[in-house]
Amino acid sequence: GAVVSQHPSRVICKSGTSVKIECRSLDFQATTMFWYRQFPKQSLMLMATSNEGSKATYEQGVEKDKFLINHASLTLSTLTVTSAHPEDSSFYICSAQRGRGGEQYFGPGTRLTVT
Amino acid sequence: EDQVTQSPEALRLQEGESSSLNCSYTVSGLRGLFWYRQDPGKGPEFLFTLYSAGEEKEKERLKATLTKKESFLHITAPKPEDSATYLCAVQNNNDMRFGAGTRLTVKP
Repeated sequence: GAVVSQHPSRVICKSGTSVKIECRSLDFQATTMFWYRQFPKQSLMLMATSNEGSKATYEQGVEKDKFLINHASLTLSTLTVTSAHPEDSSFYICSAQRGRGGEQYFGPGTRLTVT
Repeated sequence: EDQVTQSPEALRLQEGESSSLNCSYTVSGLRGLFWYRQDPGKGPEFLFTLYSAGEEKEKERLKATLTKKESFLHITAPKPEDSATYLCAVQNNNDMRFGAGTRLTVKP
């Protein structure tokens, strides 16, 4: 199988605080992991591509200082939403790619609510 | 510019009523076309990868086909548990681009 976990599944935080979301590939090594954001009834919006041991590549319009990504190992990537605001409330999903250019396996998502 | 367009946006079927979902794409250097299923509040679940025109893959009631311009996801005799949003995505040399999805509802 190809299992990807995310933690936490849900988080509520106050405006101005930071939140860290973890993404782990449980049974395979992922050179590349991806972070997506999804609004209700909309498709996935790629935020950034994370390669193990190097800096993440951010999509246009995504603030790299606000959404900090760390890919410290072949099985773990983290997304930290810094100084969160209510407009950051969304469903954040990570995926891990097995092999170069291969299919992506998605985590279950994290529902972030900023109050 | 690479584009992925899925149709219809929403589809309501009676149980047992077969149909097809469409994914049209324009991409430079297609490396793969992927189909995913997404249930509400969950991450997408991988279904199929297609690499070249003429390729077909099947899994239970689902069958995916690929041409040079589009892919179809055929659903044969669907059941209520097939209700979900079906996403297609294309991989080029640089990234993966998702369509907006087709929201399928199968009524008993």
